[in-house]
Amino acid sequence: RKEVEQDPGPFNVPEGATVAFNCTYSNSASQSFFWYRQDCRKEPKLLMSVYSSGNEDGRFTAQLNRASQYISLLIRDSKLSDSATYLCVVRQTGANNLFFGTGTRLTVIP
Amino acid sequence: NAGVTQTPKFQVLKTGQSMTLQCAQDMNHEYMSWYRQDPGMGLRLIHYSVGAGITDQGEVPNGYNVSRSTTEDFPLRLLSAAPSQTSVYFCASSYGGAGEAFFGQGTRLTVV
Repeated sequence: RKEVEQDPGPFNVPEGATVAFNCTYSNSASQSFFWYRQDCRKEPKLLMSVYSSGNEDGRFTAQLNRASQYISLLIRDSKLSDSATYLCVVRQTGANNLFFGTGTRLTVIP
Repeated sequence: NAGVTQTPKFQVLKTGQSMTLQCAQDMNHEYMSWYRQDPGMGLRLIHYSVGAGITDQGEVPNGYNVSRSTTEDFPLRLLSAAPSQTSVYFCASSYGGAGEAFFGQGTRLTVV
């Protein structure tokens, strides 16, 4: 079983739409959670950390549900520039390593 | 502000050849790691280091060696390249394993 699972998509949405991605993780001892963004043929870059109480950064909202072991990312008012692959990332308690999901591909259409 | 620098960006090897992928960071990060990214597999950890002189295996270490003689550099060696090692390789560094990971631009390796 994979440590982190994501729907690979693709998600094709019109500009201005709201889109949500979910991710599940298998290890209940997981402690830290992140969303990374990866543009085509580029390196991953941190989009935002995910906190237990949920957090928002502009048009982006991240939520964590520990009981169900899933993480979500909501993007409001989608822009063309949001087109990318979004990677769900988890770190387990006491571990140095990050576990990456396979990513969800988003395309925002004019 | 260089961040994490990987070289080369592209490489084609013949089966059985060896090579070293270079990775350097100028952020004084203790933690460095190497990942490979394959379609449908996500990023998988090959080797990592928590400081100079200390390395450890990740999820897919076979066929790769690493060393960490300085804080800045963390080269990845392919001992005898195989077609299964065709992939995109990313080096990353962070302030501790839990901190934000900064990635190099990647190396696209093809083994024929």
